[in-house]
Amino acid sequence: DQQVKQNSPSLSVQEGRISILNCDYTNSMFDYFLWYKKYPAEGPTFLISISSIKDKNEDGRFTVFLNKSAKHLSLHIVPSQPGDSAVYFCAAGRPGGGNKLTFGTGTQLKVEL
Amino acid sequence: DVKVTQSSRYLVKRTGEKVFLECVQDMDHENMFWYRQDPGLGLRLIYFSYDVKMKEKGDIPEGYSVSREKKERFSLILESASTNQTSMYLCASTGTAPYEQYFGPGTRLTVT
Repeated sequence: DQQVKQNSPSLSVQEGRISILNCDYTNSMFDYFLWYKKYPAEGPTFLISISSIKDKNEDGRFTVFLNKSAKHLSLHIVPSQPGDSAVYFCAAGRPGGGNKLTFGTGTQLKVEL
Repeated sequence: DVKVTQSSRYLVKRTGEKVFLECVQDMDHENMFWYRQDPGLGLRLIYFSYDVKMKEKGDIPEGYSVSREKKERFSLILESASTNQTSMYLCASTGTAPYEQYFGPGTRLTVT
């Protein structure tokens, strides 16, 4: 069963606008959440993370919001740039999991000029 | 900077062949992971290792085995490759930062 879900396989946004990528999870044991970005023919690279004790974490143009009661997190990119076009994966970890992550299925973001 | 390297970027093998994918990290990380990435399925964990000679099955270990003889090196073995193992294979390692995994560039394996 898919414990981490990204229900939008793709998203198209205009340059300069906000991109909002969403992620839902089912396992309440998850205590840490990460976003990774992946370009074609490259490995994923870490983007931003959030602990379950917080509800927001910001790093430059990227902000992650966590709503524990809804088991939902989102990544906001403002302003979006063409170089942000990539696949974004949401991932979650839980205590005692040996640093294992459970990944979502990914959302392809396309930022258009 | 952490560097995770994988032995091949692209590989083409025939059905039934034994395939070795190698991963090396240069940051003395304890934990190493092998994933496969398929369209619409995201990254799925095949095996992971938390120490030399230690390994644990991930979510999809069938048809795969692993070897970790040295801390820096984690190998994925396809004992008898099949066409449904055509995929992008990604290796990762973690250090002291919780959960944050560093990925290699991936190996695109095609089994014909």
